[in-house]
Parts: sequence; C-alpha cells; structure tokens
Amino acid sequence: EDQVTQSPEALRLQEGESSSLNCSYTVSGLRGLFWYRQDPGKGPEFLFTLYSAGEEKEKERLKATLTKKESFLHITAPKPEDSATYLCAVQSWGYGNKLVFGAGTILRVKS
Amino acid sequence: DGGITQSPKYLFRKEGQNVTLSCEQNLNHDAMYWYRQDPGQGLRLIYYSQIVNDFQKGDIAEGYSVSREKKESFPLTVTSAQKNPTAFYLCASSREVDEKLFFGSGTQLSVL
Repeated sequence: EDQVTQSPEALRLQEGESSSLNCSYTVSGLRGLFWYRQDPGKGPEFLFTLYSAGEEKEKERLKATLTKKESFLHITAPKPEDSATYLCAVQSWGYGNKLVFGAGTILRVKS
Repeated sequence: DGGITQSPKYLFRKEGQNVTLSCEQNLNHDAMYWYRQDPGQGLRLIYYSQIVNDFQKGDIAEGYSVSREKKESFPLTVTSAQKNPTAFYLCASSREVDEKLFFGSGTQLSVL
C-alpha cells in the first residue's frame, strides 16, 4: 500500500529564514510526485510534479527535489504570503493512477 | 476564466437527510474526482470518473453516491448511511486520469 508522510506537521519561520519541508513516501513504483499549496478554506493549488530521482523544479522562492525515498520542498527567504499548508502526493503505476496524499505541513511565516 | 465551481460553500445536514454537493468544470477535462479532507489527515478519494456515464469507487465510497451524466458535472450525494459526514469536500478534475489535478474551492459540510 502506498504511503506518504510529511514532516514537520507545522513550521514557523521568520521572514527571510530559509528552510525545507520533507515528504517521505513508499510506493510500489513511482509514476509521479506532486506538491500542492492550500490556503485556509480553499482548494489545493498545483505547484510541481517530479518524476524521477535527481529531478528538481523551481518556482519563485520554492524549489522541489526528489530522491528514491523522499522529496524536499525548499523555501528560500520566505515571505508572509508563503504561509499555507503544503501537500505532497504520490502516484504509483500499480494503484490505478490514483493519488495518495500526505497530511500536509502547515507553514507560518512571520514578518 | 476556466475553472471548477463547487456549491454551496457551506452546507448543513440534518440526521437522516441526503444532501448533494455540486461540482461543475469548464476546463473540458475528462476525469473528475471527489476527495474528503479531515483535519490532520491527507485527502482521501471518495469517487472518480474517467468518462461520462462511468465512475469508480475510491478508498472511502461507503455512504456516498455520484453520477456523471455530463462531462462538465460530477455531483456528490452524501447519504444518511454516512454516519460521520462532517468534513471539507473537494472536487477536482484533470485532462486525463494520470495528470495534475485542478481543485475547486471546496464545500464544508456540517451536521446539525
């Protein structure tokens, strides 16, 4: 059974204080790993898809990386508007193409 | 603008009552999904549909029903058999079943 564990559950940063969020996964065969951002009371918004170990993608202050067992979402010099819940999800070849989500990391950035 | 519209934003259910959550998309996507989100848990798949007039159960389908009569619409009914319906419900769509999901803004369902 595919599993996704995100850590930490919550993270508080000062504005400009860089850090990383972790997504550890267990899948029979990884088809893709997805990162989403979710603001309170709203639906998740797509950020990145990673397909193979060693792959990296960037968007503004966010950079996602992938290894065979985990993915990191690096946040460089965060701003208060980066505050949100960040969700990780995996899609495996052997699970009918369905996504399995982690519980998310709640990020708060203080000015 | 293209997107997914969920309604209502808030919904209250009385005991023994069935309620229906609406989901409409104008993205011309073939695949549509319903997820349930509870505090501290990951999103869990209720039902999904890859094509009109066809749908499959997800991981937590008991107490729920869906229909897909039109490509644009995928309503979810929470039946009285669902004993713990309080949650945030999210509808999503994708061009094909293995591509990234686009989500609606969600419906918060509570029990009176």
